[in-house]
Amino acid sequence: SQQGEEDPQALSIQEGENATMNCSYKTSINNLQWYRQNSGRGLVHLILIRSNEREKHSGRLRVTLDTSKKSSSLLITASRAADTASYFCATGAISGGYNKLIFGAGTRLAVHP
Amino acid sequence: EPEVTQTPSHQVTQMGQEVILRCVPISNHLYFYWYRQILGQKVEFLVSFYNNEISEKSEIFDDQFSVERPDGSNFTLKIRSTKLEDSAMYFCASIGQGGNYGYTFGSGTRLTVV
Repeated sequence: SQQGEEDPQALSIQEGENATMNCSYKTSINNLQWYRQNSGRGLVHLILIRSNEREKHSGRLRVTLDTSKKSSSLLITASRAADTASYFCATGAISGGYNKLIFGAGTRLAVHP
Repeated sequence: EPEVTQTPSHQVTQMGQEVILRCVPISNHLYFYWYRQILGQKVEFLVSFYNNEISEKSEIFDDQFSVERPDGSNFTLKIRSTKLEDSAMYFCASIGQGGNYGYTFGSGTRLTVV
């Protein structure tokens, strides 16, 4: 598999349920970021977790990072229909001072009212 | 909240034609990037730009591609002779620092080569 692979590829849940998406990566990273993309639109930065952090919260979002397993998870609690979107993890690695992101294939989340 | 602005939102061009995609990054940001996303596929890094020069480019960014920051605000991606496989969403992004910060992405330009 390639850097930044998410699973599941698609997730369908009911409003109010929690949604968990996972991401695995291969190389050393400085940080891991999660982005959201509504259909045909731009990418919106959700949360960044540094390689020396294990867990981070932002509102209804909770991100974990396990560098020993090279994996991360994004939990959206109490989901809403408006959370319907694709979610991408992206690993950031500084090379020569410049941070380049490598994206995974994404998880398509559908939240049904 | 500051935004990265991209124009046009959608461009249709004939194969072999030149296209210029335009971006206005956030004004105090220092690092600029172009990414692309072919329909249904993952977002791919094209090029990073800092201090008026390319700092890194991917294998995708061949001689047909070029970037410029012609003035203090615009950041452009030029494709000299478009191919059908260049059809994709092209995203511009910028960050203020080179380290542990999230990117601000533009809303993208959908390029369709016919």
